[in-house]
Amino acid sequence: DSGVTQTPKHLITATGQRVTLRCSPRSGDLSVYWYQQSLDQGLQFLIQYYNGEERAKGNILERFSAQQFPDLHSELNLSSLELGDSALYFCASSARGTAYETQYFGPGTRLLVL
Amino acid sequence: DQQVKQNSPSLSVQEGRISILNCDYTNSMFDYFLWYKKYPAEGPTFLISISSIKDKNEDGRFTVFLNKSAKHLSLHIVPSQPGDSAVYFCAASGWDQTGANNLFFGTGTRLTVIP
Repeated sequence: DSGVTQTPKHLITATGQRVTLRCSPRSGDLSVYWYQQSLDQGLQFLIQYYNGEERAKGNILERFSAQQFPDLHSELNLSSLELGDSALYFCASSARGTAYETQYFGPGTRLLVL
Repeated sequence: DQQVKQNSPSLSVQEGRISILNCDYTNSMFDYFLWYKKYPAEGPTFLISISSIKDKNEDGRFTVFLNKSAKHLSLHIVPSQPGDSAVYFCAASGWDQTGANNLFFGTGTRLTVIP
C-alpha cells in the first residue's frame, strides 16, 4: 500500500459527459501528479501540483483540468469526454515535488467512455 | 514523440536465471533514471534509480546499468523469481520546453518468470 488513495476505482460513462477523479496523497507529501495510461502506452504525464499551486504541465488536453485543495487532495476533471479518453488514470505524490524524488502511485482509476 | 523507449513489450525467463530489461532514451539532458514495477490492479512502485553521474547502481537482486554515450539503460534481475513477474517501466527525469522538470516513462516490458 503506497498510502496514495484514488476514487473511484472504475468509472463508466458516455461520450460528451464530464467526470471527476479524486486523489489523496501520502501523509506529509505536498506534491501531486496525474498520469494517463492508454492501451499499449506508457504513463503520460498530465499535470503536477505542489502545495496547491500548479507546478508543471505535460500533455494535458484543454478539456481536462485539475486542482489541489488546501487539504492537499487533488481532483482531475475530464469534460466533453471522447472514446479515446478511455484509459487508466494514476495519481502519484511526493514530498517536495522535485523530479529526483520517488513518486508514490495510487492504484489508479479505470475510465471507460462508451 | 516517445523520449523513453522500451522496445521489448514482453520477456519470459526461467526462474533462477537472469532477466535483462532494456530502455533507450533520446534526450541527452536526462540526468536521473528510474525503474518502476507494476502488478495488475496496482499502481507502479519504485524499484531502483540511478543518477547520470554513475554507471551502475545495485540493490540486492536488482542492478541498473547506465550507458550515457549510447543513451541506454538496463535492469538486471538475478536470480529471477516468480514474484518478479510484473510490468517494468523505465523512466527518465529531464527538463521540458517550459522549463519544468518532468518524469518521462517508457511503455513498459511485461516480465514473466517461469517456475
